[in-house]
Amino acid sequence: GQQLNQSPQSMFIQEGEDVSMNCTSSSIFNTWLWYKQDPGEGPVLLIALYKAGELTSNGRLTAQFGITRKDSFLNISASIPSDVGIYFCAGIDRGSTLGRLYFGRGTQLTVWP
Amino acid sequence: GAVVSQHPSWVICKSGTSVKIECRSLDFQATTMFWYRQFPKQSLMLMATSNEGSKATYEQGVEKDKFLINHASLTLSTLTVTSAHPEDSSFYICSARDHAGGFQPQHFGDGTRLSIL
Repeated sequence: GQQLNQSPQSMFIQEGEDVSMNCTSSSIFNTWLWYKQDPGEGPVLLIALYKAGELTSNGRLTAQFGITRKDSFLNISASIPSDVGIYFCAGIDRGSTLGRLYFGRGTQLTVWP
Repeated sequence: GAVVSQHPSWVICKSGTSVKIECRSLDFQATTMFWYRQFPKQSLMLMATSNEGSKATYEQGVEKDKFLINHASLTLSTLTVTSAHPEDSSFYICSARDHAGGFQPQHFGDGTRLSIL
């Protein structure tokens, strides 16, 4: 199966700081997605990226689809306590017809007030 | 939009019991639904892809007779864990895609915490 390397594995930051995490794949993806998961809940879609080079924002979140189509990053600006959670990158390879997702291992974000 | 409802959210039952989990797309039609399993502090592991009106496609290592999937309508898929044992205890999550209007990403339910005693 596809291998997604997501880093960092965890982050401990102070409220107000910016956060950056990234994801790389061993093969080309057509779509990159970023999800956030709170404890005991399902992942919630944050940003979807469909074109190489695409830069998309959702409030304080910004994500980019890498030019090589093998990587993506997510930035969170001016973090707040409710940003705490696990962030997952996910990708869909170019051969997929059903939209099967390959997930990164997640980045656990902790925000200190 | 794109709301996926999963029920029940929490189940505790005795070993040997069969447990059914429902996944519904509330405001869209989902030709394809996905079932995942997640262990603590780990990522989501795809178990099977469920297609409306046809047999599910299981990932390697997932027992199809143990985890029965039925996708009888465009808004409902069910996962039945048959003769559940303690090692089946986990967090099960479904997702669904809206196939209308071009490519749409997967949206997830809130998960089912299954505990087998």
